[in-house]
Amino acid sequence: GQSLEQPSEVTAVEGAIVQINCTYQTSGFYGLSWYQQHDGGAPTFLSYNALDGLEETGRFSSFLSRSDSYGYLLLQELQMKDSASYFCAVNQAGTALIFGKGTTLSVSS
Amino acid sequence: ETGVTQTPRHLVMGMTNKKSLKCEQHLGHNAMYWYKQSAKKPLELMFVYSLEERVENNSVPSRFSPECPNSSHLFLHLHTLQPEDSALYLCASSPHTGTSGREQFFGPGTRLTVL
Repeated sequence: GQSLEQPSEVTAVEGAIVQINCTYQTSGFYGLSWYQQHDGGAPTFLSYNALDGLEETGRFSSFLSRSDSYGYLLLQELQMKDSASYFCAVNQAGTALIFGKGTTLSVSS
Repeated sequence: ETGVTQTPRHLVMGMTNKKSLKCEQHLGHNAMYWYKQSAKKPLELMFVYSLEERVENNSVPSRFSPECPNSSHLFLHLHTLQPEDSALYLCASSPHTGTSGREQFFGPGTRLTVL
């Protein structure tokens, strides 16, 4: 079957670095996406990895290892505004995105 | 207007009511989606339209009925809903046609409460 696992909660302080992991089980895997959702807001696309390795976009980076069915989102120089839920989502053949349950990140001063 | 818009933002309805949710995208995308988001649960895909054709229906109860009259508009018609249908309903669009839209742009959602 299909499944995604990510931690339910992560806490960190301003200026720190945090890594949110995502492991998946699926068939016909194309790639892994990450979305951010602030409380009461809409999910916002952050990144997409189709190939192994690290993709960097400003303070956020995303990593994928296809052989390990594993990826992570790395957030650097954390700011209070980064407090949100972060979802990994698998892009696979024949069906639309499958989302994980989300990780709630709380950043404190 | 830009992006993906949804109306209404909040809706309270009784179990015998009929209502419709509206989604409009101004991005020139060819694929549109309806999702349900309940507390503490992952986003659940309901329907996918690609080039105005329904390409996926994830075993959604018939009390939810989608309509895509053109590539910019998507509706979700609701009738005889149950209290457990109370949730945030999100619309999304993608520049990637077909079901595997990896980069999706979401609207703000409609918060639905069924009494």
